Amino acid sequence: EIVLTQSPATLSLSPGEGAALSCRASQSVGSSLAWYQQKPGQAPRLLIHDASSRATGIPARFSGSGSGTDFTLTISSLEPEDFAAYFCQQRRNWPLTFGGGTKVEIK
Amino acid sequence: EVHLVESGGGLIQPGGSLRLSCAASGFTFSNYAMTWVRQAPGPGKGLEWVSGISGSGGGTFYADSVKGRFTTSRDTSNNTLFLQMKSLRADDTAVYYCVRGGWSSPLDYWGQGTLVTVSS
Repeated sequence: EIVLTQSPATLSLSPGEGAALSCRASQSVGSSLAWYQQKPGQAPRLLIHDASSRATGIPARFSGSGSGTDFTLTISSLEPEDFAAYFCQQRRNWPLTFGGGTKVEIK
Repeated sequence: EVHLVESGGGLIQPGGSLRLSCAASGFTFSNYAMTWVRQAPGPGKGLEWVSGISGSGGGTFYADSVKGRFTTSRDTSNNTLFLQMKSLRADDTAVYYCVRGGWSSPLDYWGQGTLVTVSS
């Protein structure tokens, strides 16, 4: 099973600041990595797929990078609605696995 | 517009059975793999992949934690995904999400989830 480790667990930032969230895989997943945003009481929403492709309707301030084992989700300038939990997920190997999540909270 | 609507959740005693349904609309159902993902209740809980099924229904995959107890199936004529759960345990308590996609495509659309609570 591929283990995805996200860091940090919590990121405390102010609106307008940039954020960099890390996801590290225990073995290569190529570019088969996605990022999801989840707000309390809501289902997750796909932000980035295949490491760097923005999903439909996702603002340009969200970008993904990386390949192999190290990936980053970057939010260029945090909007109030961006404070949420973020999860990475790989679909390279069975079982599909998720990272433990990073919570981006208001400082 | 893609819509996924889960139903069938509720309170069930340990050892019991439950069947979840997911009604899909807005896309050609048989063209997509589908996935069940669950999330235990409470703040800071993560996402756990449960099961996946191919577009044709010919291939199914399960997490070790549910293998032998859960069965995923699909009815392409009615655009419905199912998760039959038996021998339920307290640690199966979670919100269960129906999701479009799987190993061949990203998990791009999620239902609103249905809560399953296993408790006596």
